[in-house]
Amino acid sequence: DAGVIQSPRHEVTEMGQEVTLRCKPISGHDYLFWYRQTMMRGLELLIYFNNNVPIDDSGMPEDRFSAKMPNASFSTLKIQPSEPRDSAVYFCAAAGGASSGANVLTFGAGSRLTVL
Amino acid sequence: QKEVEQDPGPLSVPEGAIVSLNCTYSNSAFQYFMWYRQYSRKGPELLMYTYSSGNKEDGRFTAQVDKSSKYISLFIRDSQPSDSATYLCAMSVGNFNKFYFGSGTKLNVKP
Repeated sequence: DAGVIQSPRHEVTEMGQEVTLRCKPISGHDYLFWYRQTMMRGLELLIYFNNNVPIDDSGMPEDRFSAKMPNASFSTLKIQPSEPRDSAVYFCAAAGGASSGANVLTFGAGSRLTVL
Repeated sequence: QKEVEQDPGPLSVPEGAIVSLNCTYSNSAFQYFMWYRQYSRKGPELLMYTYSSGNKEDGRFTAQVDKSSKYISLFIRDSQPSDSATYLCAMSVGNFNKFYFGSGTKLNVKP
């Protein structure tokens, strides 16, 4: 298995532009998490899904952020409009695989976002 | 108060040293305790996983959980330069639950 695949790996955009980050989770893992990591705040949970249904989005900072999981093999995190304070590394992570268990998060390589 | 507290370091040690990394937490309901290792510009990867109290050993790594003190530790024996990374503790209340992460401790092992 290729693991959790995220794209783009790097994104540089200007304030006010729409940003879409993509995630392909591991097949058979029922849970998908979106995290944001910054030096100041560390790793923050934004939202997580179970079987494509959003379970907890209390970490989504504002209405500018939205996440979808239209099927088991794809999820997006969208920021519209983007602001400089959104600059961070965004991670997608999967859990719940039969071999890995309920409490094992497998992270993607991350999408590094810079908003100018 | 944060749910999970972790000293950010950096921690610098010579090769071969024993390293002790620690986290404290406030929620007594946490049952699952994990340590993740994150290399620069990579995603975190699971290193150790422990349920409830006690010790768990895996090669040069030992994880300890003291629920009475709300304190967890990761020990690295015979540390190597390849151990240089940021170590994050994480915990959760139950299966398929929210994971709460510490801020990470940056470790540098000097050759």
